[in-house]
Amino acid sequence: DGGITQSPKYLFRKEGQNVTLSCEQNLNHDAMYWYRQDPGQGLRLIYYSQIVNDFQKGDIAEGYSVSREKKESFPLTVTSAQKNPTAFYLCASSKDRGRLDKLFFGSGTQLSVL
Amino acid sequence: RKEVEQDPGPFNVPEGATVAFNCTYSNSASQSFFWYRQDCRKEPKLLMSVYSSGNEDGRFTAQLNRASQYISLLIRDSKLSDSATYLCVVNMRGNTGGFKTIFGAGTRLFVKA
Repeated sequence: DGGITQSPKYLFRKEGQNVTLSCEQNLNHDAMYWYRQDPGQGLRLIYYSQIVNDFQKGDIAEGYSVSREKKESFPLTVTSAQKNPTAFYLCASSKDRGRLDKLFFGSGTQLSVL
Repeated sequence: RKEVEQDPGPFNVPEGATVAFNCTYSNSASQSFFWYRQDCRKEPKLLMSVYSSGNEDGRFTAQLNRASQYISLLIRDSKLSDSATYLCVVNMRGNTGGFKTIFGAGTRLFVKA
């Protein structure tokens, strides 16, 4: 079955450490996204990519980095510059961002700081 | 004012009740609208798209009121399994000409036996 796979499900970061969250999709979707969810808040866009080797900053990109070397993969790195990284991170994809398609989400990664 | 606003709830209703949620949006140029359901610490899943003519899927009815800039979700004959957070999602044109997707913070529903 097609879908989006995020890993790991839980991740712990030490102070000053960079950590990478994995996101893979086999839906053949062009667009991929990373969102952050904090309690009581809506999802906020970190980065998005409409095509391989291209990505754009979202609303809260500071302290994060991404790459899109393959259509299927869109990993997110939480760098040491992100001072408040504890949150639930969701990866999503859509067939074509320009068409305002519905989003398909991975199961999420809960990141916590030790 | 937030671009998309929802009553956070929680709404506590008995099984079999009818419950309705509203969601208001600030940008009149908004293009498309959705309701997603999210269980605790799980990913959001699409419940319904929302069309101007209104649409129904079993016990769920969604409506759009462009004049007043809100969308609604009605759940009839509530089940225990309907307990979740319901997210309102609005797609609108961004300032640079592209599109952006705005999520509401969600409305929590508890259905009790």
